[in-house]
Amino acid sequence: KAGVTQTPRYLIKTRGQQVTLSCSPISGHRSVSWYQQTPGQGLQFLFEYFSETQRNKGNFPGRFSGRQFSNSRSEMNVSTLELGDSALYLCASSTTGAVTTGELFFGEGSRLTVL
Amino acid sequence: QKEVEQDPGPLSVPEGAIVSLNCTYSNSAFQYFMWYRQYSRKGPELLMYTYSSGNKEDGRFTAQVDKSSKYISLFIRDSQPSDSATYLCAMSVSSYKLIFGSGTRLLVRP
Repeated sequence: KAGVTQTPRYLIKTRGQQVTLSCSPISGHRSVSWYQQTPGQGLQFLFEYFSETQRNKGNFPGRFSGRQFSNSRSEMNVSTLELGDSALYLCASSTTGAVTTGELFFGEGSRLTVL
Repeated sequence: QKEVEQDPGPLSVPEGAIVSLNCTYSNSAFQYFMWYRQYSRKGPELLMYTYSSGNKEDGRFTAQVDKSSKYISLFIRDSQPSDSATYLCAMSVSSYKLIFGSGTRLLVRP
């Protein structure tokens, strides 16, 4: 069974640019969550999508946005990049999105460096 | 103050040692508690899940939750070099997001 696939794995951008990251969940999983991981803050929740609907959003500025397609694949976009956006962006999929049992399956992440 | 506090380490122990990893939290509404393991350049993977207070054992791993003290622990018995990784605690009230600790780096020396 294929795992969660994130692309690209590594990318370098400059301040002011925008970036789009992609996530393909495990087959049959309809929920996709996005987390930002930095050394200082750890993993922080960005947003969660289920059946193309955003159900929950974390405390990030509007520059961070996402969407989910009918095949459950998801993209997140960061516009007007800032140096502080440098991080590992992790996507996690699950069947229902309910995290009470912790059954989130994470991808290997997209490492973004902003210069 | 962060909702979940975790000592970043690194924690270095000899092979075979018992390892204790801990998190404290401030939100008494947390009901669901998890431990994830993250190897370098990989995404986190679920190790243990516990609901409310109590202990849970799975092989060499034991998770403990003390809600009265707002304190959770993960014990690893007979630690192996392959246990070297970052361990993340996570918790949830009852929705679609997890609140993570910042992770503790563990190094098990052969």
